[in-house]
Amino acid sequence: AQSVTQLGSHVSVSEGALVLLRCNYSSSVPPYLFWYVQYPNQGLQLLLKYTSAATLVKGINGFEAEFKKSETSFHLTKPSAHMSDAAEYFCAVRPTGANSKLTFGKGITLSVRP
Amino acid sequence: KAGVTQTPRYLIKTRGQQVTLSCSPISGHRSVSWYQQTPGQGLQFLFEYFSETQRNKGNFPGRFSGRQFSNSRSEMNVSTLELGDSALYLCASNERRGPYNEQFFGPGTRLTVL
Repeated sequence: AQSVTQLGSHVSVSEGALVLLRCNYSSSVPPYLFWYVQYPNQGLQLLLKYTSAATLVKGINGFEAEFKKSETSFHLTKPSAHMSDAAEYFCAVRPTGANSKLTFGKGITLSVRP
Repeated sequence: KAGVTQTPRYLIKTRGQQVTLSCSPISGHRSVSWYQQTPGQGLQFLFEYFSETQRNKGNFPGRFSGRQFSNSRSEMNVSTLELGDSALYLCASNERRGPYNEQFFGPGTRLTVL
């Protein structure tokens, strides 16, 4: 079965600093990979996705992620954190087969210090 | 297009009761998925419906059930509520994007079981 590992549950950065949120997946075949963001009392919003095209994926709000098959990783980065980036971030994996299910990681809470 | 609508947004029930949650997907979308989100277990897949048929099911007891109507609206029902059923229940409206579904999440229904 596919799984996703997000190390740590909380990351704190200063405003303007680099944001790096880690995600590793387990799969014998490269799956589809997603990053979602959840603000308090809201549903999930798709930040970006990898669907076997370009390995460097750019998303909304200045975020990007790089798919590295050799490391089975899909880390999320943003060069300069903004206060509005404070939220919970989820990495998710979906196998490439038809009617496959989306499996989420445990999530990471990002705090941004002024 | 209007987004995903979930009703009610908040619900308080007592143990042993049953509850029905509703989800209206984005117009034109024929598939919905349901997830349970708790602090301890994170986001867990409940089930997926496409054109009134359950296409996928997660590992939840039979107390959790769902259905989809001809207008694509979906309901999920939880019978004999337990304290552990307290959670945020998220509905996603699924749009086919080539080989995978892109999911658009609603704001969720926050269920509290006392």
